[in-house]
Amino acid sequence: EAGVVQSPRYKIIEKKQPVAFWCNPISGHNTLYWYLQNLGQGPELLIRYENEEAVDDSQLPKDRFSAERLKGVDSTLKIQPAELGDSAVYLCASSLGQGGHNEQFFGPGTRLTVL
Amino acid sequence: KNQVEQSPQSLIILEGKNCTLQCNYTVSPFSNLRWYKQDTGRGPVSLTIMTFSENTKSNGRYTATLDADTKQSSLHITASQLSDSASYICVVSTSGGSYIPTFGRGTSLIVHP
Repeated sequence: EAGVVQSPRYKIIEKKQPVAFWCNPISGHNTLYWYLQNLGQGPELLIRYENEEAVDDSQLPKDRFSAERLKGVDSTLKIQPAELGDSAVYLCASSLGQGGHNEQFFGPGTRLTVL
Repeated sequence: KNQVEQSPQSLIILEGKNCTLQCNYTVSPFSNLRWYKQDTGRGPVSLTIMTFSENTKSNGRYTATLDADTKQSSLHITASQLSDSASYICVVSTSGGSYIPTFGRGTSLIVHP
């Protein structure tokens, strides 16, 4: 069974440019998460989806970040415009349900470097 | 505020030795605690999950303990291997309608030959 797929794996852009990340969750997983992970830190939740509905986006900087999960499967996370401080790894994860007992399966992440 | 603190921040051991990683949390109400292993350049992978009533759970050479009274957990690695070199992250989840996991910063483990 394929795991969570993310692309691109690496992205280097100049500040003020837009960037988008794509995530394909494990088939059948209704819950999808986007996390930000800085070097030496644990992942920080940006947004959580239940099917196509964003149920927790309190940590998403809405002035520059946006996300969507059309049709409740794939998801994209966009930053526009990117700032130097956005350099980090962006992880996508999925799970069967939203309960804490449901294991989250993580993708390999997209490493973003903003110059 | 829900918090998860891990120690040590980093650890270097020789292959074959044992080690113990610590996790203290203030998350409430408590639902479960997971230990994840994150290899460099990869996403975290779950090692164990522990609920309130469990105090020990093993997964091969990994043994997790939980003391819900003191809100402490440990991950013990036996007979370490080079492939154990990774970051180990403690994650505590709340119960109730709003599921928000709280991640620790992780312990970076390096196993030397």
